[in-house]
Amino acid sequence: DAGVIQSPRHEVTEMGQEVTLRCKPISGHNSLFWYRQTMMRGLELLIYFNNNVPIDDSGMPEDRFSAKMPNASFSTLKIQPSEPRDSAVYFCASSERTYEQYFGPGTRLTVT
Amino acid sequence: GESVGLHLPTLSVQEGDNSIINCAYSNSASDYFIWYKQESGKGPQFIIDIRSNMDKRQGQRVTVLLNKTVKHLSLQIAATQPGDSAVYFCAETLSFNDKLIFGTGTRLQVFP
Repeated sequence: DAGVIQSPRHEVTEMGQEVTLRCKPISGHNSLFWYRQTMMRGLELLIYFNNNVPIDDSGMPEDRFSAKMPNASFSTLKIQPSEPRDSAVYFCASSERTYEQYFGPGTRLTVT
Repeated sequence: GESVGLHLPTLSVQEGDNSIINCAYSNSASDYFIWYKQESGKGPQFIIDIRSNMDKRQGQRVTVLLNKTVKHLSLQIAATQPGDSAVYFCAETLSFNDKLIFGTGTRLQVFP
């Protein structure tokens, strides 16, 4: 198995632009998680899905952030409009059992 | 003004020595505790877990100890190797299918 796949690996954009991060979970996993990691706040859970349904989005910072999971093999995290404080590494993870999560390589986002 | 990031505690050990990484967890109701390893430029990787009804669990070269009385978790790595250099996170969860709450992490540096 290729593991969790994330794209792009790096994204540099200007403030105000829309950013879309993509994730393909491991086949057969029924839970998918989006995390953000920064030096200031460490690893934060943004949202997670179970069987394609959002279960907990309490970590989504504000309305500029949205996430979708249209099917079991694909999820997106969108930021519109992006701001410099959104600069971080964004990880997607998937699991069969929630506490044993498999993380992707991350997307490093820089908003200038 | 100057931004203040998380100050990661650092443990420096000599190759071949045993390492002990400690973690204080927050919720006495948590039922599962997990250790993750994050190497530079990669996503966190599951190492080992322990349930609240246990106080010790052993894996390959790693042992996790749980002390519920003082809400303390530790990860012991035997015969530490250069490949063990990484940031180690403890995580807790209320139940089998609930979200993980990650700690701030400890950086392990292994020198020859």
